[in-house]
Amino acid sequence: QVQLQESGPGLVKPSETLSLRCSVSGGSVSNDNYYWSWIRQPPGKGLEWIGYIYYSGFTNYNPSLKSRVSISLDTSKNQFSLKMSSVTAADTAVYYCAILRPDYSDAFDVWGQGTRVTVSS
Amino acid sequence: DIQMTQSPSFLSASVGDRVTITCRAGQSISNFLHWYQQKPGKAPKLLIYAASSLQSGVPSRFSGSGSGTDFTLTISSLHPEDFATYYCQQSYSTPRHFGQGTKLEIK
Repeated sequence: QVQLQESGPGLVKPSETLSLRCSVSGGSVSNDNYYWSWIRQPPGKGLEWIGYIYYSGFTNYNPSLKSRVSISLDTSKNQFSLKMSSVTAADTAVYYCAILRPDYSDAFDVWGQGTRVTVSS
Repeated sequence: DIQMTQSPSFLSASVGDRVTITCRAGQSISNFLHWYQQKPGKAPKLLIYAASSLQSGVPSRFSGSGSGTDFTLTISSLHPEDFATYYCQQSYSTPRHFGQGTKLEIK
């Protein structure tokens, strides 16, 4: 069973870049059956899809965030990463990494536990 | 964008009740609709994918139905551990929007 674990700074200053990593265990980021995804949840609010990356490097982002977001793979560390630039308080959220399963009609099957990020000076 | 609207936003029910949550898509999404359960402080958990397929390990009291624009999640007999927030999500097109959530509370 594949497991995911997010990591990264819990506090980021406004206008700076948020950087998070998702470590994959029990599977490989080179697996062509999965898309590696990021989703976030502001405090007390609902879920927002950020984007995903395929093993080939293909990416798909939420248009509302596309200009500020980049997702990448690190096969040597079996991780994938999220970078979000020019953050504001509106980017304060719990950030989840998740696996999108094409064989499940693109449902998000496995989730990390989430990491809380606060944007504040 | 395809917006997803859930109803109700809040639902109060008792153990043993049968409950139904509805999700409506802004346009037809075929059966590209999924349901998740989220408990406080925890990550969402996939319950139903492709509108009606039960994820492995999920109790059979959960079921999903619908296609096109209208979908339902039904819990046939509520257990204490079912009190949580439920989200629908479409995967027909980008962006992959979620519904706003339905909080199921104990009456």
